[in-house]
Amino acid sequence: EAQVTQNPRYLITVTGKKLTVTCSQNMNHEYMSWYRQDPGLGLRQIYYSMNVEVTDKGDVPEGYKVSRKEKRNFPLILESPSPNQTSLYFCASTQGPLRPTDTQYFGPGTRLTVL
Amino acid sequence: KNEVEQSPQNLTAQEGEFITINCSYSVGISALHWLQQHPGGGIVSLFMLSSGKKKHGRLIATINIQEKHSSLHITASHPRDSAVYICAVSGNQFYFGTGTSLTVIP
Repeated sequence: EAQVTQNPRYLITVTGKKLTVTCSQNMNHEYMSWYRQDPGLGLRQIYYSMNVEVTDKGDVPEGYKVSRKEKRNFPLILESPSPNQTSLYFCASTQGPLRPTDTQYFGPGTRLTVL
Repeated sequence: KNEVEQSPQNLTAQEGEFITINCSYSVGISALHWLQQHPGGGIVSLFMLSSGKKKHGRLIATINIQEKHSSLHITASHPRDSAVYICAVSGNQFYFGTGTSLTVIP
């Protein structure tokens, strides 16, 4: 089954404690992306990757890191989480955002609370 | 700055009604997307458009590139259509509207 998986699904942590949210896709997609969703602000892109070893900042990259060492995995790293990073996070993948026939597949979401 | 604007924000309809959700954007794009987010939070891609019109079951999406505007229509609405509908545009990056919360009453 084609899918994007994220782990953990729920996480409560404290300010400053480094954490990683994993994302994996089994569709051999080139493009992967991380988004955060906040009430009233909608979805905003954090980082994206157009292929292995290629990553770019989205709209709200501050406080986040990513890496793309393998095509299937795209982890999101919060080196020193702060309360304003409390949010619902989605990972997504697509063969390529510039191709009009390719849709985006979303992971189930990770609800993060930073105390 | 709001690259993507959606209207209305909230919409309540009676079962069977024809529904329209509008989306305007201000940036150059390669494609426009309509997404559906269910109350449980999961997001599903409904359509990707670069021109014209697409139809899938009771859902129709149109785009006017010159006017930078898209519409999502739902014909014969049903309570199971209740969800948040999100418009997004893409080039290398994705930009999203804040969503339209639709409730269809039986």
